[in-house]
Amino acid sequence: DIVMTQSPDSLAVSLGERATINCKSSQSLLWSSNNKNYFAWYQQKPGQPPKLLIHWASTRESGVPDRFSGSGSGTDFTLTINSLQAEDVAVYYCQQYYSHPETFGQGTKLEIK
Amino acid sequence: EVQLVESGGGLVQPGGSLRLSCAAPTFTFNNYWMSWLRQAPGKGLEWVANIKTDGSETNYVDSVKGRFTISRDNAKNSLYLQMNSLRGEDTAFYYCARHLRNSEFSPWDYWGQGTLVTVSS
Repeated sequence: DIVMTQSPDSLAVSLGERATINCKSSQSLLWSSNNKNYFAWYQQKPGQPPKLLIHWASTRESGVPDRFSGSGSGTDFTLTINSLQAEDVAVYYCQQYYSHPETFGQGTKLEIK
Repeated sequence: EVQLVESGGGLVQPGGSLRLSCAAPTFTFNNYWMSWLRQAPGKGLEWVANIKTDGSETNYVDSVKGRFTISRDNAKNSLYLQMNSLRGEDTAFYYCARHLRNSEFSPWDYWGQGTLVTVSS
């Protein structure tokens, strides 16, 4: 199984500042035939199901604010949230869909400082 | 608006069975791969099983193979998870989720609100 490891486990950032969450996979998620990374980011707020933010490592879902951006390739990926808003408080998960079983990182809890 | 509505959760004794359902009334259900995922209270996310558009192919995480069965009824726009030989470690919120595109190797763009399964004596 592909192991996904996020860092940090928790993060406190001031309103209006930038938050950065990292995710590392135990093997490359880059499919050579189409040059796509089979990698996604989700946001989960308390009492709600996860919400897909970004897929193919950097493609933002429709309706997701452009302060959210994804980057990286291969085994190392980053979620950046610019100008943090109060509504961004949540747990963020990375996920690989390169192979079965699809696996998630352990989650990063983002709070306001 | 895409809607996914799970039902069927509850309290069950170890070794017991439960059948979860997921109604998907608002989109062309038979065009999408579907999955079940779960999340133990206060814990992370785990993919459980998925099923092809026509039900001809299924995949499971190792921990549920031989105990859980995913199925679908496209005429009823519904997804199911039959869970047998339940264990304490199966206690979780169970979500049904739609794959983003007609591919099993894609993320999930819509999730239900979840149904809680508690396995305890």
